[in-house]
Formats: sequence, structure tokens, C-alpha cells
Amino acid sequence: RKEVEQDPGPFNVPEGATVAFNCTYSNSASQSFFWYRQDCRKEPKLLMSVYSSGNEDGRFTAQLNRASQYISLLIRDSKLSDSATYLCVVTPPGGSQGNLIFGKGTKLSVKP
Amino acid sequence: EADIYQTPRYLVIGTGKKITLECSQTMGHDKMYWYQQDPGMELHLIHYSYGVNSTEKGDLSSESTVSRIRTEHFPLTLESARPSHTSQYLCASRTTSGRVEQYFGPGTRLTVT
Repeated sequence: RKEVEQDPGPFNVPEGATVAFNCTYSNSASQSFFWYRQDCRKEPKLLMSVYSSGNEDGRFTAQLNRASQYISLLIRDSKLSDSATYLCVVTPPGGSQGNLIFGKGTKLSVKP
Repeated sequence: EADIYQTPRYLVIGTGKKITLECSQTMGHDKMYWYQQDPGMELHLIHYSYGVNSTEKGDLSSESTVSRIRTEHFPLTLESARPSHTSQYLCASRTTSGRVEQYFGPGTRLTVT
């Protein structure tokens, strides 16, 4: 089982749609969680951290379920500019000492 | 914006040449990383460093080597480039304490002919 698993997509949605991405992680002792965004042929950039209580940043909502080892990202009112690959990222046990573990990413394509 | 830089951004070079990809960061981060990523594929960690004079191989075997003589500088070298080395190489860094987010440079797109 891979350490971080994501549905690769692609998710093809119309503008204005709500879309949700899921991610599962294998190590229950993982400590920190993030969503990164990667545009085609560009470097990954931090989109948002994921907190246990859930957190929101504008149209983006991230949630964490430690019991199920599951992370989600919800995008409301999708824009064309949201088209990208979304990477789920987890820190291993040991937190800041270990290397970040990247999922393969979920590709989103928002169409007019 | 993260202060992490990579040069060159694009490189086309012939088989057998020695190349060095440069990576520098001005954030004082202890940890630095090199990833390899083919188009449309996942990131693969090939090297990392936890500080000066510390280098380790990553999850993906690579013929490249790295050095870390200064905190801010983490160059990657290929002694003899081959077409199989054609890929995008991404450098990243992060701090050891507090916030653990990783910041990426813009990448070097390498083509070996």
C-alpha cells in the first residue's frame, strides 16, 4: 500500500461546479498535512495546510479525519484558473524531522 | 514568494557531457531536496540534505550526485549525461523547526540528445 494515495483523475468539471478530492495516508502517526497545487510544467506550490478542526481559505476547504486517515479538499465555485494537479502531502512520524511524502496528485480540468 | 532559485531553467545537452544544475535558497533553510519529475508523472525524491556536509540518496535511484558545502547552495551533478536523464529537476527547501512546508524552485528542464 502506498503511503499517500489519491485518485489520479482527471476530474473534468464546468465552471462554477463544486469538486472534492480525497486522499488517504497509511501511517496513523503522520503529523502534518498539506495540499499543494502544481500547474502544468511548473513547480508545486503550497495551497493550504490541513488542520484537525478543518479549515477554509476562500473557496477552498480542507478537512482531516485522523480516525479514517483521510484528507479532503473541497473547491467551490470552480474557476478556469483552478485547473491544475492537486497534491496531497503528509509528514511522517517525527514531524519536522522527516521528509514530506507526496501523493501522485489529482488532475483537475475546469471547462467553460 | 519563496526565495529559492534554480539555474539553468532549460538545458539541452549532448550525451556524455558533464552537467551541474544549480540550486540556491536565501531563507537559511537547513533541509534541501532534489526531485525528478517526468511530464504528467509524480515527483520522485532523488537526493536530500539536512545541513552542511550532509547528503543522502532519496527513494528513486539516480546516477546524479549532490554536495552541500554551504547552507544556501545544493548543486546536482551528472558526470555523463544520457537521454534517460531527460526530465524536470526540482529543488526544494524547508526549515527544520516550526513550519514544515516545503518550498520549490522553478525547476530545470533537462533534455539530453
